[in-house]
Amino acid sequence: AQKVTQAQTEISVVEKEDVTLDCVYETRDTTYYLFWYKQPPSGELVFLIRRNSFDEQNEISGRYSWNFQKSTSSFNFTITASQVVDSAVYFCALSEASYGGATNKLIFGTGTLLAVQP
Amino acid sequence: DAGVTQSPTHLIKTRGQQVTLRCSPKSGHDTVSWYQQALGQGPQFIFQYYEEEERQRGNFPDRFSGHQFPNYSSELNVNALLLGDSALYLCASSRLGLGMIDEQFFGPGTRLTVL
Repeated sequence: AQKVTQAQTEISVVEKEDVTLDCVYETRDTTYYLFWYKQPPSGELVFLIRRNSFDEQNEISGRYSWNFQKSTSSFNFTITASQVVDSAVYFCALSEASYGGATNKLIFGTGTLLAVQP
Repeated sequence: DAGVTQSPTHLIKTRGQQVTLRCSPKSGHDTVSWYQQALGQGPQFIFQYYEEEERQRGNFPDRFSGHQFPNYSSELNVNALLLGDSALYLCASSRLGLGMIDEQFFGPGTRLTVL
């Protein structure tokens, strides 16, 4: 069965600190996709990144970076020099390969609430 | 370019009633998925619609049903509401058949409260 675990329920940091959000996943599929979404207080999920199981290259986008390690089934997310606007709930999600051509369902973790204090 | 829209924003119902939530996908998208997010939890997949048919379904009872219209918009219906149905209901849209997993764009959600 597919499962996503985000062990950190809440993290509080002071502005300009670096912070890493952990994500561990379980799947028996050899082809799968991993995602990170941000959910600000408004409630709308904002897409941050998609990574497929064959691409283990780390990715950097501005202050955001992601570390994908299949050996440990982890897909961690780091924010460098955090800002107050980064305060939100962050979700890691897993999806199987395309289901009959359709985008498959997302399996979400329980989320990590990040609070960045000024 | 309008994103995913949902209506209403908030809704209050009593146990046993029925509710209909609406979703309009992002322009160019033809697939709509619905998720339920209870307080403090991650979203849970309810079902997905494409070509006006339900293509996938999560572990939700038959009280949850849906519909997709020719213009790709969708409705989520919940019958015989229970207190436990109180949640944020999120709609996500995507495009079919790109040969890879396309990202799903989410709407702002409908906050349903069952009293």
